[in-house]
Amino acid sequence: AQTVTQSQPEMSVQEAETVTLSCTYDTSESNYYLFWYKQPPSRQMILVIRQEAYKQQNATENRFSVNFQKAAKSFSLKISDSQLGDTAMYFCAFIRGTSYGKLTFGQGTILTVHP
Amino acid sequence: DVKVTQSSRYLVKRTGEKVFLECVQDMDHENMFWYRQDPGLGLRLIYFSYDVKMKEKGDIPEGYSVSREKKERFSLILESASTNQTSMYLCASRDKNTGELFFGEGSRLTVL
Repeated sequence: AQTVTQSQPEMSVQEAETVTLSCTYDTSESNYYLFWYKQPPSRQMILVIRQEAYKQQNATENRFSVNFQKAAKSFSLKISDSQLGDTAMYFCAFIRGTSYGKLTFGQGTILTVHP
Repeated sequence: DVKVTQSSRYLVKRTGEKVFLECVQDMDHENMFWYRQDPGLGLRLIYFSYDVKMKEKGDIPEGYSVSREKKERFSLILESASTNQTSMYLCASRDKNTGELFFGEGSRLTVL
């Protein structure tokens, strides 16, 4: 079974600074996808960024980028130039690369951006 | 845009009541999911459905059942609600080409 671990229950950062959220996972699969989802307070969960395991290049999406270390099974999220709107719960998630795989989530990290 | 709609944002029920949580998606996705979100535990999968009339147990199915009679609708049923089922329930549908899940806004259930 796959497991996803986020070891930081809470993080805080000053506006305009950079913060990195950690995620590790455990799987015997070679083909899979990794995701970071964001859940703002009382709002819908939305996708932040997605990484295919077969791609060596780290995914980036504007101010959001990942550091994907396949051998170490590590998938951290870096948020640059943090904004107040980045305040949210962030979830790391894993899915096998099949049509019928289920998504496994980590415990979540609450990120607070301070002005 | 994909839209996943959950019928109720907030519900308060009494112990022993039957509870229905409805979820509808408009993107013709085959895969749909019900998760439960609790502080410190993240999201835990209750049930999922590959396609109409197909369902699979997730990690915590006890006390729950589901129904998928139409492709766009996936219902979660609590046959006899208990206080330990007080939680946030999230429905999602999945784009099977990208693996991405699209979530509803969530249903916060309180069982008294």
